[in-house]
Amino acid sequence: DAGITQSPRHKVTETGTPVTLRCHQTENHRYMYWYRQDPGHGLRLIHYSYGVKDTDKGEVSDGYSVSRSKTEDFLLTLESATSSQTSVYFCAISGGHRGTEAFFGQGTRLTVV
Amino acid sequence: GQQVMQIPQYQHVQEGEDFTTYCNSSTTLSNIQWYKQRPGGHPVFLIQLVKSGEVKKQKRLTFQFGEAKKNSSLHITATQTTDVGTYFCADRDTPLVFGKGTRLSVIA
Repeated sequence: DAGITQSPRHKVTETGTPVTLRCHQTENHRYMYWYRQDPGHGLRLIHYSYGVKDTDKGEVSDGYSVSRSKTEDFLLTLESATSSQTSVYFCAISGGHRGTEAFFGQGTRLTVV
Repeated sequence: GQQVMQIPQYQHVQEGEDFTTYCNSSTTLSNIQWYKQRPGGHPVFLIQLVKSGEVKKQKRLTFQFGEAKKNSSLHITATQTTDVGTYFCADRDTPLVFGKGTRLSVIA
């Protein structure tokens, strides 16, 4: 497996609290992605990064922010968690865009109560 | 990224039956990738198709890319319980956009 680690793996938090999920890679890959996975919706892209400090929005970015200050770390922040953000979050990395496979982390199960 | 539509959403088959999932796009795709996610696991890359009309095989799995590069399919011959999971196609453009997936259940 590619060197990609998500932390925490599980988290329960209260509505209205800030939450930060971390994705760490040791592959020196340029692209990093955050997805959420919910039943019936597949994998939906939240934000992605194509380099240090270069990020862009995906299809479900509202309520989420990201930061990438180092190649190896991509942080996803829920500024004020809501119950609708209860989900499984996956980080993925890839070396390029077209023509390169993506490697996924193990996922973070977030529950907002 | 473009929107890719995947059908069916669910498929239940008896062990030994064949299975096919389809991925469709309204516009031409540059290339397409397929991933498999086992229950409780994370998506894992299976294959990439690039050329119009391309067909690739991996043991019992056959992947096809349409002539117009607007659709793709994954066919599994004689399913086994190890094939259980969700199969996703992805438009391999930036950003990486996935279809909703087809969840395969195999009844032994």
